[in-house]
Amino acid sequence: QAQLQESGPGLVRPSETLSLACTVSGDSISGRDFYWGWIRQPPGKGLEWIGSVSYSGFLYSKPSLESRVTISVDSPKKQFSLRLTSVTAADTAVYYCARRFGNGWHFDSWGQGILVTVSS
Amino acid sequence: DIQMTQSPSSVSASVGDKVTITCRASQDVSTWLAWYQQRPGKAPNLLIYGASTLQSGVPSRFSGGGSGTLFTLTISGLQPEDFATYYCQPTGSFSLITFGGGTNVEIK
Repeated sequence: QAQLQESGPGLVRPSETLSLACTVSGDSISGRDFYWGWIRQPPGKGLEWIGSVSYSGFLYSKPSLESRVTISVDSPKKQFSLRLTSVTAADTAVYYCARRFGNGWHFDSWGQGILVTVSS
Repeated sequence: DIQMTQSPSSVSASVGDKVTITCRASQDVSTWLAWYQQRPGKAPNLLIYGASTLQSGVPSRFSGGGSGTLFTLTISGLQPEDFATYYCQPTGSFSLITFGGGTNVEIK
């Protein structure tokens, strides 16, 4: 399994853009069977998939979020990133980066999570 | 959109007990289903995929079954570290990715 670590600001102002990065170690980021993605969890609530991207940049995202979501991969840095535009308080959550590997959209490696609060 | 309904939402059990959690899908997902464990303050951890295949490193007391729209996760012989919240997730397509509401396994 890969090790993943999220980084980024813990506080974002309403209407601004949330930007997070995930650094991958212990495995390649360029494997053709890998998809790198983001899943979030509002405080005290369940899990919500945001989107996943292949190493070549092919993006799948949740339809209700896709107009605001960009996920990209920086292979030399072994990082991938999330940009979520026009945030509101409803975007306050713990954000996890996660890897999809193999046959099926299950996530076998996760970061520890980072709490992002949207507040003025 | 597919809906994943877990039951019960919460269960109280003792160390050594056998616990079964149910996940019902609103449409047929064959055996494309995963289960995760999430301990408080931690990230989810993949337990089972393909409805019944144990992820590497997961203890054999965890088992999964079912197909179509009805699935189960069974923990045979609860251990203290198993007290956590469990989620199911369909895995057959990116368009189906959603998580069940979770089942909290609490200490009796």
